[in-house]
Amino acid sequence: NAGVMQNPRHLVRRRGQEARLRCSPMKGHSHVYWYRQLPEEGLKFMVYLQKENIIDESGMPKERFSAEFPKEGPSILRIQQVVRGDSAAYFCASSPSGQASYNEQFFGPGTRLTVL
Amino acid sequence: AQSVTQPDIHITVSEGASLELRCNYSYGATPYLFWYVQSPGQGLQLLLKYFSGDTLVQGIKGFEAEFKRSQSSFNLRKPSVHWSDAAEYFCAYTGTASKLTFGTGTRLQVTL
Repeated sequence: NAGVMQNPRHLVRRRGQEARLRCSPMKGHSHVYWYRQLPEEGLKFMVYLQKENIIDESGMPKERFSAEFPKEGPSILRIQQVVRGDSAAYFCASSPSGQASYNEQFFGPGTRLTVL
Repeated sequence: AQSVTQPDIHITVSEGASLELRCNYSYGATPYLFWYVQSPGQGLQLLLKYFSGDTLVQGIKGFEAEFKRSQSSFNLRKPSVHWSDAAEYFCAYTGTASKLTFGTGTRLQVTL
């Protein structure tokens, strides 16, 4: 059973470009979470999605950031018009159906975004 | 505000020595508590979790943690550290919401 997959593992963008980060949850998992880890800091929650629904986006910056988890395909975290402050590691996690707060979240290896 | 505090940013221990990493939480009810480990350039791996019941929880790689409600703590312990344990350790909790709230992490260095 493959784990949580994220791609690309490393992404370099110039200021003003768009960044698209992909996350494929573990098989059978329908809950996806995105977290951001800034240098020398812990992980901060960004958004929680289920298939075709955003459940909690309280950690998402108000502008330039969006996330989706379509019925088919991976979850996408999209950052428009990137700035240097967006440079960070972005982690995706998934958990199985049910009462999500009881469930372990399984983390992917992360995408390290560098904005030049 | 609900939060998780890891007071030690860096800890250095000798291989074979015992280890205790501190974690304090601030939450109105009993949270669900987790310890994760992150090796450099890698994702997070769950070491152990506490939901309810026995307050001493056993995890993988010889780690254990004890939930103490009176002290709002969930400290991670290992009786004998191995060089491969060098990594960053994160304490986290969830409450009624599903999202994990993480502490700032403790970086463990192991000297030979």
